[in-house]
Amino acid sequence: KQEVTQIPAALSVPEGENLVLNCSFTDSAIYNLQWFRQDPGKGLTSLLLIQSSQREQTSGRLNASLDKSSGRSTLYIAASQPGDSATYLCAVRPGQDGATNKLIFGTGTLLAVQP
Amino acid sequence: DGGITQSPKYLFRKEGQNVTLSCEQNLNHDAMYWYRQDPGQGLRLIYYSQIVNDFQKGDIAEGYSVSREKKESFPLTVTSAQKNPTAFYLCASSPRTGATNEKLFFGSGTQLSVL
Repeated sequence: KQEVTQIPAALSVPEGENLVLNCSFTDSAIYNLQWFRQDPGKGLTSLLLIQSSQREQTSGRLNASLDKSSGRSTLYIAASQPGDSATYLCAVRPGQDGATNKLIFGTGTLLAVQP
Repeated sequence: DGGITQSPKYLFRKEGQNVTLSCEQNLNHDAMYWYRQDPGQGLRLIYYSQIVNDFQKGDIAEGYSVSREKKESFPLTVTSAQKNPTAFYLCASSPRTGATNEKLFFGSGTQLSVL
């Protein structure tokens, strides 16, 4: 059964620092891996999607990498800002059930960027 | 504005009562999903629907029911059989193109609490 783990559970950094969030998954048979942002009491916003054939995706100050064979992904945030404070969730789309877009989520990393 | 609308934002349930959470989308998406989020945990799939008049159980369907009579709407009923219903409920949709880079779009959520 696919399991997704995120480390650390919480992270506090000063403004301007570069940081890395980690995500690991137990089954390498995936269609894609996605990173989401969630603000308190809100829904999820998609940040980056990496297909299984890709190694990384970039959007602005965000860079996500995927190492499928080792079951790991990282989300790199450059020059962090207080507005980046949120919970970051990673999710995988299992390869065995490719007909649907069901995702399996990690528990998230709560990020606080101090001004 | 295209998007997913969940209502109400907050809902309270009395003992033995059934309550229904609304989810409406105007994105013309075929597939819709219901997830449950508990504090400090990832999202877990309750039910999903790939097409009108069809739906499937997810990982935690017990105590819940759904209907999909219209493409735009996918209401979730939390029945009295669900003994621990307090959670944040998120509705999502996707276009069901079959593409491996297909994204999931989320509503803003409903917080359900037990009185």
